[in-house]
Amino acid sequence: SQQGEEDPQALSIQEGENATMNCSYKTSINNLQWYRQNSGRGLVHLILIRSNEREKHSGRLRVTLDTSKKSSSLLITASRAADTASYFCATDDASGTYKYIFGTGTRLKVLA
Amino acid sequence: SQTIHQWPATLVQPVGSPLSLECTVEGTSNPNLYWYRQAAGRGLQLLFYSVGIGQISSEVPQNLSASRPQDRQFILSSKKLLLSDSGFYLCAWSVVRGYTFGSGTRLTVV
Repeated sequence: SQQGEEDPQALSIQEGENATMNCSYKTSINNLQWYRQNSGRGLVHLILIRSNEREKHSGRLRVTLDTSKKSSSLLITASRAADTASYFCATDDASGTYKYIFGTGTRLKVLA
Repeated sequence: SQTIHQWPATLVQPVGSPLSLECTVEGTSNPNLYWYRQAAGRGLQLLFYSVGIGQISSEVPQNLSASRPQDRQFILSSKKLLLSDSGFYLCAWSVVRGYTFGSGTRLTVV
């Protein structure tokens, strides 16, 4: 079953602009993660935010988590053409099995 | 260092043929291992996961099976492939901070 759903499905912005992607999920979680996938490649882990955290930063990435709304957002600041990729959120099911369910992803295109 | 190897990178197989995809992990012991499938332009679907040798959990009924003959080896198999088995298959192992994915196998069933 699908746990995370990203919004928007696709996003096209100019280089230098900020990109915001959202993720909603359905059940209680221990943590939420964001991944990046370049076309035809494996996924790369970007950032993990725990259920007791509200915001986390890593370089140009900023992730927020609102457990009351069961939603998270990923902000990429000062985007670059190299940020063009698909971005996925993944949530666990709080069962402790490290089993993560992925959303359908947001396809980001950064225009130079 | 911890690495994950997945092969082959691409595979074209006729309908009805068998399948064997292999994934091995280095630099860790007793990892949780996973097989995901990604249809074109879609998200990832969890197929199987394993928390130890010989322990396989199946997430969805399908034409595929998985085995874990060794601690760091995870194999995805099929006796007879269907057209609907086409997709991008990803192996992953988990640590506390999240997954490390292999580079994936693109399977096309013709």
